[in-house]
Amino acid sequence: NAGVTQTPKFQVLKTGQSMTLQCAQDMNHEYMSWYRQDPGMGLRLIHYSVGAGITDQGEVPNGYNVSRSTTEDFPLRLLSAAPSQTSVYFCASRRGQINTEAFFGQGTRLTVV
Amino acid sequence: GQNIDQPTEMTATEGAIVQINCTYQTSGFNGLFWYQQHAGEAPTFLSYNVLDGLEEKGRFSSFLSRSKGYSYLLLKELQMKDSASYLCAVSGLYGQNFVFGPGTRLSVLP
Repeated sequence: NAGVTQTPKFQVLKTGQSMTLQCAQDMNHEYMSWYRQDPGMGLRLIHYSVGAGITDQGEVPNGYNVSRSTTEDFPLRLLSAAPSQTSVYFCASRRGQINTEAFFGQGTRLTVV
Repeated sequence: GQNIDQPTEMTATEGAIVQINCTYQTSGFNGLFWYQQHAGEAPTFLSYNVLDGLEEKGRFSSFLSRSKGYSYLLLKELQMKDSASYLCAVSGLYGQNFVFGPGTRLSVLP
């Protein structure tokens, strides 16, 4: 049982480039979300999904797009990378009931130069 | 808006007890969660509280007072492997997703 799998683990982008961070879970969880983690600021919610075909914005959505075509996959797209998007990105999934724990992927460390 | 506050750093000695506090002011609340995160790794779930009171789980306990917007995580019989960041998170906002505090980095010294 792999849980939540994120790829890649590390990435360096040039300003203006686009890329997609991949996230897949094999636990049949309804809820999936993307967070970024910056020093001193904790984890901040970027986008989330409560099921296939449904997505919504979190605290810091600007510069990012998501889609949820299947239950398993929830990719995060950076449309035009900026140095301010240098961060560690975590994907998480959880069952749909209230107050269930989140399971996190291993993270993607992204540097934009 | 949302505000969750935790001390930035704490230090304790192996074998001791440490209490990590979390205060919150949020527009929605369904529960308070604690996660542990070792450096360079993903957060992992420790415990959660929905109702006021103490929840015990082995060496870890978590307390919640909803009227005061206050929680703490109590770690007993500290071990070196407990050196990590401890994240306080509130659920009930953004479609039941979590809003996280800044985290408390705990260093356990021999």
